Amino acid sequence: SQQGEEDPQALSIQEGENATMNCSYKTSINNLQWYRQNSGRGLVHLILIRSNEREKHSGRLRVTLDTSKKSSSLLITASRAADTASYFCATGTGGGNKLTFGTGTQLKVEL
Amino acid sequence: ETGVTQSPTHLIKTRGQQVTLRCSSQSGHNTVSWYQQALGQGPQFIFQYYREEENGRGNFPPRFSGLQFPNYSSELNVNALELDDSALYLCASSLVASGGRETQYFGPGTRLLVL
Repeated sequence: SQQGEEDPQALSIQEGENATMNCSYKTSINNLQWYRQNSGRGLVHLILIRSNEREKHSGRLRVTLDTSKKSSSLLITASRAADTASYFCATGTGGGNKLTFGTGTQLKVEL
Repeated sequence: ETGVTQSPTHLIKTRGQQVTLRCSSQSGHNTVSWYQQALGQGPQFIFQYYREEENGRGNFPPRFSGLQFPNYSSELNVNALELDDSALYLCASSLVASGGRETQYFGPGTRLLVL
């Protein structure tokens, strides 16, 4: 079963604009991770935020985590056409950090 | 490049057959997890192996089984294939740590089609 849900399901923006994706989840977590997937291939790890952290930055990425609302957001600033992909949030739980993925947001960045 | 490799990249089988998928973990990683991703869905956790022992299992029937070898490479075996087993199968390796810091690194996947 899917733990989380991303919102929106699909997002289309112009190059240079910012893209914001949201993720909600259901149970307590160790951490939350965001992944990118191009054309149904392997997942690329973007960023991990632990349950005791509220915000994290990595390059053009900014992730927030609100454990009281069981939600997270991923902001991609100054988007590029190469950012076109599906983005998934995944919550890590239990020993070994087993991941439960959301349903994904399809981002399209147009020139 | 994550250093995690999977073989084969594509596979076509018929219903009722058996399949073995292989994964080579990133160097130094002692944990491997397998996920199934149906078209248009997020990956779903199948099971995880830590130091050659199963360390958790998702909601998959026993005909999905696995192995982890001393060099930490891994196999996913699926018996009695069904049409719904058609999916992208992803393995991910990680180094178990404490404090929720374990990033999982994914391979490129094996796309299985069951006819």
